[in-house]
Amino acid sequence: GQSLEQPSEVTAVEGAIVQINCTYQTSGFYGLSWYQQHDGGAPTFLSYNALDGLEETGRFSSFLSRSDSYGYLLLQELQMKDSASYFCAAVYNQGGKLIFGQGTELSVKP
Amino acid sequence: ETGVTQTPRHLVMGMTNKKSLKCEQHLGHNAMYWYKQSAKKPLELMFVYSLEERVENNSVPSRFSPECPNSSHLFLHLHTLQPEDSALYLCASSQDQVKLYNSPLHFGNGTRLTVT
Repeated sequence: GQSLEQPSEVTAVEGAIVQINCTYQTSGFYGLSWYQQHDGGAPTFLSYNALDGLEETGRFSSFLSRSDSYGYLLLQELQMKDSASYFCAAVYNQGGKLIFGQGTELSVKP
Repeated sequence: ETGVTQTPRHLVMGMTNKKSLKCEQHLGHNAMYWYKQSAKKPLELMFVYSLEERVENNSVPSRFSPECPNSSHLFLHLHTLQPEDSALYLCASSQDQVKLYNSPLHFGNGTRLTVT
């Protein structure tokens, strides 16, 4: 089936850099999105990669490697407010479906 | 009011009750979605509507019944639910369903449902 794998938990300290990896099934794959969800809140869109390479948006960057069926979200200069769950989500079948990973809970410590 | 709003925020219901969840989007989007979010599990797509027509139904039990009367409103009607249906139910919208790859989802804050 179409499933995504990402770590369940990551812990880092303020000011550090953290990378959250995501692997996906290749059949019908079109692109990879990332969403952030704070506890009790709505998931919010962070980024989308359709092509290989790095997309940078401020402190957050997202990377995709189609040959490796792998992507990651890179968070730099971590702040306490970055503590949240981060979901990768793959677009399949030319935009017909968006399949989510189980989420990575990021805890930023002082 | 802007974005995607869901009501109620919390709902407790017995297994024999009938209730409805409501979602409204103020973004002018053409597609709307229901997702189920359970602890430690991926978000599960339940239903997709594009231009008020249902285009996706992911083998959801018939005790969940969606309704999309217009492009701005989406309902999820609930009846004879089971305790395992307790979860956060998220509504989302996007500009277009077919072009989802460049059309991110905008989520509401969800309805926390508890079935007793």
